[in-house]
Amino acid sequence: ILNVEQSPQSLHVQEGDSTNFTCSFPSSNFYALHWYRWETAKSPEALFVMTLNGDEKKKGRISATLNTKEGYSYLYIKGSQPEDSATYLCAFIFGNEKLTFGTGTRLTIIP
Amino acid sequence: DAGVIQSPRHEVTEMGQEVTLRCKPISGHNSLFWYRQTMMRGLELLIYFNNNVPIDDSGMPEDRFSAKMPNASFSTLKIQPSEPRDSAVYFCASSLDRHLGELFFGEGSRLTVL
Repeated sequence: ILNVEQSPQSLHVQEGDSTNFTCSFPSSNFYALHWYRWETAKSPEALFVMTLNGDEKKKGRISATLNTKEGYSYLYIKGSQPEDSATYLCAFIFGNEKLTFGTGTRLTIIP
Repeated sequence: DAGVIQSPRHEVTEMGQEVTLRCKPISGHNSLFWYRQTMMRGLELLIYFNNNVPIDDSGMPEDRFSAKMPNASFSTLKIQPSEPRDSAVYFCASSLDRHLGELFFGEGSRLTVL
């Protein structure tokens, strides 16, 4: 079983500060990596789908990078706001297999 | 589009009863996924369909679970007989491409088995 690991498991950040967290995955036979944002009592929403080594994607204050050779992706949030509080999930596909989710990083923004 | 629609939103049933969860994917999406969220295991994939055909059901816990997709606009997940350990939130999601398409999730069905 190939696992996706996310770190840290949880994070408290002061409003206005920037932060980042990591998704690690097996680098062999990489196909695609997804990032999702999951607010409490809601359902996950897609942020990015990334496929190419060196890929960088951005949506507002949130951006992500991908390194398929070493098997990691970083998600960055610039100038954190209370509405950024959520669990951030990454999901990984290798070969022709199914999308496997990590357990997420739970981010809490402190006003 | 209304998004992925799941029903019921909440279900409380007694052990041994049959439970049927329903999902209507986004029109035009050719992949449909059933996930289960638990405290212990997070979001785990139960089964997914591509063009109405089940592709991978290795995540289905046991024979008590079954899923069907009779057409492109409807899928069911059935548990028979239900057990207390099946209590969880069950999410349905659909996408344009099972690998590269972002998943659009329904609001989930919260199942409680007493």
